[in-house]
Amino acid sequence: ELKVEQNPLFLSMQEGKNYTIYCNYSTTSDRLYWYRQDPGKSLESLFVLLSNGAVKQEGRLMASLDTKARLSTLHITAAVHDLSATYFCAGVNAGGTSYGKLTFGQGTILTVHP
Amino acid sequence: DTEVTQTPKHLVMGMTNKKSLKCEQHMGHRAMYWYKQKAKKPPELMFVYSYEKLSINESVPSRFSPECPNSSLLNLHLHALQPEDSALYLCASSQDSTGDTQYFGPGTRLTVL
Repeated sequence: ELKVEQNPLFLSMQEGKNYTIYCNYSTTSDRLYWYRQDPGKSLESLFVLLSNGAVKQEGRLMASLDTKARLSTLHITAAVHDLSATYFCAGVNAGGTSYGKLTFGQGTILTVHP
Repeated sequence: DTEVTQTPKHLVMGMTNKKSLKCEQHMGHRAMYWYKQKAKKPPELMFVYSYEKLSINESVPSRFSPECPNSSLLNLHLHALQPEDSALYLCASSQDSTGDTQYFGPGTRLTVL
């Protein structure tokens, strides 16, 4: 069954700095999602990456997918306080009885300081 | 419109109570999900409905009983819960259950006393 691991689990950043969150997954995944969750709130879909080499950007966030390395990254450029949240990556189980099921990473709690 | 609605937003119940959580979507999605999320943890899948039929039950205790009355509605009936069942319960929907983007509702914060 698919396993997904994120690192780091906690990330404290200064405003204006760049950083990357890594998401490794264990077996074939049809696609890779990134979600954002603010404290006490629901999950907001940020990106879906469908194929090897896919790159998507929205504002200061850029996500990429390397299916050969089974790795996705979420790069944060010039962080601002508003980006403080928990970020989850999630893969999709590609077969068996769990086909289509999302498997989430542990989440990365991002805090951006002035 | 990518909105999934859930009611109530907050629920406090005793261990002998029976209550229900409700979820609704009008995006024409044919897959709906219940997740349980504890603080600082990722969501854990509980149930998946595909075309109004239960397709995945992640070995959830029988004190949680899902129901899908039609393609837009999903209920979660609660009975004889334990304090450790206190959590945020999230509903989600997607076009189908083969891995399409899931859109999450705002959740119900459940406290079991």
